[in-house]
Amino acid sequence: NAGVTQTPKFQVLKTGQSMTLQCAQDMNHEYMSWYRQDPGMGLRLIHYSVGAGITDQGEVPNGYNVSRSTTEDFPLRLLSAAPSQTSVYFCASSYSPNYEQYFGPGTRLTVT
Amino acid sequence: AQSVTQPDIHITVSEGASLELRCNYSYGATPYLFWYVQSPGQGLQLLLKYFSGDTLVQGIKGFEAEFKRSQSSFNLRKPSVHWSDAAEYFCAVARHRDDKIIFGKGTRLHILP
Repeated sequence: NAGVTQTPKFQVLKTGQSMTLQCAQDMNHEYMSWYRQDPGMGLRLIHYSVGAGITDQGEVPNGYNVSRSTTEDFPLRLLSAAPSQTSVYFCASSYSPNYEQYFGPGTRLTVT
Repeated sequence: AQSVTQPDIHITVSEGASLELRCNYSYGATPYLFWYVQSPGQGLQLLLKYFSGDTLVQGIKGFEAEFKRSQSSFNLRKPSVHWSDAAEYFCAVARHRDDKIIFGKGTRLHILP
């Protein structure tokens, strides 16, 4: 099993550009989530999904979109990148929020 | 509102010394409690979890944690730290039938040789 994979590992964007961070898991987990990690702020939940076709907002959803068309994939879209979105982004999956979360290796995004 | 507090942003201990990292939570019912570790440049890895039963739980890498309902705490302990334990540690809380897990802001552990 590959576990949770994220691409790309690093990305530099200019303000206003859009992009998609990819996340995939091969563990047949229903629950998937996206976090951003900033110094001193810990992990903040952006969006989450409890199954294919079902998504909801977390703590900091503004500027991000998600969709979940398959169990395996949960991409995160930045619509119009802003410097405030410079962060490290982690995708996680699990059977449910009450179970162990499996994290991807992260994507370091810089917006200039 | 539900919350998780890790009061210590940084902790420094000497190699071989004992360690305790604090975690307090605010939740309406008995929560599901977790400790995760993040090594530099890595994702998070589960150290241990508490769902029910024995309030002292054992985890990987020699860590243990104790759930104290009266204090709303779930502190992480290790009797003797190793240089490889230097990392950031996150406490997390979920609630039965809830759809989110809440993470604390983390405690960064530094080890002195």
